[in-house]
Amino acid sequence: SQQGEEDPQALSIQEGENATMNCSYKTSINNLQWYRQNSGRGLVHLILIRSNEREKHSGRLRVTLDTSKKSSSLLITASRAADTASYFCATGGGSNYKLTFGKGTLLTVNP
Amino acid sequence: GAVVSQHPSWVICKSGTSVKIECRSLDFQATTMFWYRQFPKQSLMLMATSNEGSKATYEQGVEKDKFLINHASLTLSTLTVTSAHPEDSSFYICSAGGTGRQFFGPGTRLTVL
Repeated sequence: SQQGEEDPQALSIQEGENATMNCSYKTSINNLQWYRQNSGRGLVHLILIRSNEREKHSGRLRVTLDTSKKSSSLLITASRAADTASYFCATGGGSNYKLTFGKGTLLTVNP
Repeated sequence: GAVVSQHPSWVICKSGTSVKIECRSLDFQATTMFWYRQFPKQSLMLMATSNEGSKATYEQGVEKDKFLINHASLTLSTLTVTSAHPEDSSFYICSAGGTGRQFFGPGTRLTVL
């Protein structure tokens, strides 16, 4: 079953704008991860945030985690056309534990 | 960083044939590997967890006799789709458990005619 639910399902913005995607989950977690997938390609790991962290930054990416609301957000600032991809949140993981993915947000950044 | 490869990257086969997909961890050993399936415009769904030297653990609804998984070494897991049918056409992605997290292969596009 899907643990995470992203919204919006699709987001279309202009280059230079910020993009915000949200993810909600149902059970308690140790960490939450965000991945990017270009069309027809594999997954690229973007960022991992642990349950005791509230915010994390990596370049133009900012991730927040609210364990009381069981939700996370991914903000991409100053978006570029190359950011066009599907973005998934995932819970679980670690070396030996399965990941459960959300449904994903399809981001389109128009030049 | 840890690299995981998959072979082939794409395959087209006739209905009724079997297809084997390989997943290799190139620069690390993985006790556990995972196989996911992704249909167009959908998310990844875990099919099975593959443990080196033991039987795979399949998710509910995944037929173990149709999707044969072998994890014979710490760097190789294989998924064989037996008697493939058009509804098995999908994108199959593996991941390997590394230090602290999983590392994903580039995926295999399977098309069954």
